[in-house]
Amino acid sequence: EIVLTQSPATLSLSPGERATLSCTASQSVASYLAWYQQKPGQAPRLLIFDASNRATGIPARFSGSGSGTDFTLTISSLEPEDFALYYCQHRTNWPPSWTFGQGTRVEIK
Amino acid sequence: QVQLVESGGGVVQPGKSLRLSCAVAGFTFSRYGMHWVRQAPGKGLEWLAVITYDGSSQYYVDSVKGRFTISRDNSKNTLYLQMNSLRPEDTAVYYCAKSFYSGSVLNWFDPWGQGTLVTVSS
Repeated sequence: EIVLTQSPATLSLSPGERATLSCTASQSVASYLAWYQQKPGQAPRLLIFDASNRATGIPARFSGSGSGTDFTLTISSLEPEDFALYYCQHRTNWPPSWTFGQGTRVEIK
Repeated sequence: QVQLVESGGGVVQPGKSLRLSCAVAGFTFSRYGMHWVRQAPGKGLEWLAVITYDGSSQYYVDSVKGRFTISRDNSKNTLYLQMNSLRPEDTAVYYCAKSFYSGSVLNWFDPWGQGTLVTVSS
């Protein structure tokens, strides 16, 4: 079973700063990785799929990179609405299954 | 626009059963795989189950295999999760989610419903 480890657990930054979130897989997942944002009391929202593709309506300040075992979600300049929880997710082809990392909280410094 | 609305949550005793529903609108339901995901209070996300667009195949995480059953009624635009032999550790918010693109289930989750809370307690 592939384990996704996200770091750091909490990121304390100010609006306008750059956020760099990491997700490391215990073995190669190719580019089968996605990132989700979750705000308090809300459902998660897909940000990035297939490691580097922005989902519909996601602002350009969000970008994803990486392949194999090491992935990064970058928020180029934090807006107030970006302070939230972020999860990475991996999928396997057979049998189909999906696992999430434990999450990174981006909080206002 | 796309809408997913879960219902059926509540308080249930250990060992009992509950059926969740997810009513959808705004897209052609019969073309998309659908998922259930849960989130225990203050915890992370756990994928539970997926069903193909036509209901012909279902896949589960090991922790619910044999206890939970995912199903769908394409004529009613509704997804279901039958949960049997419930345990206190099943306490969570349960979300339904649509496959990001149609056809194969081998893709991502977008969008998600708002969730329904299931509490398993005596």
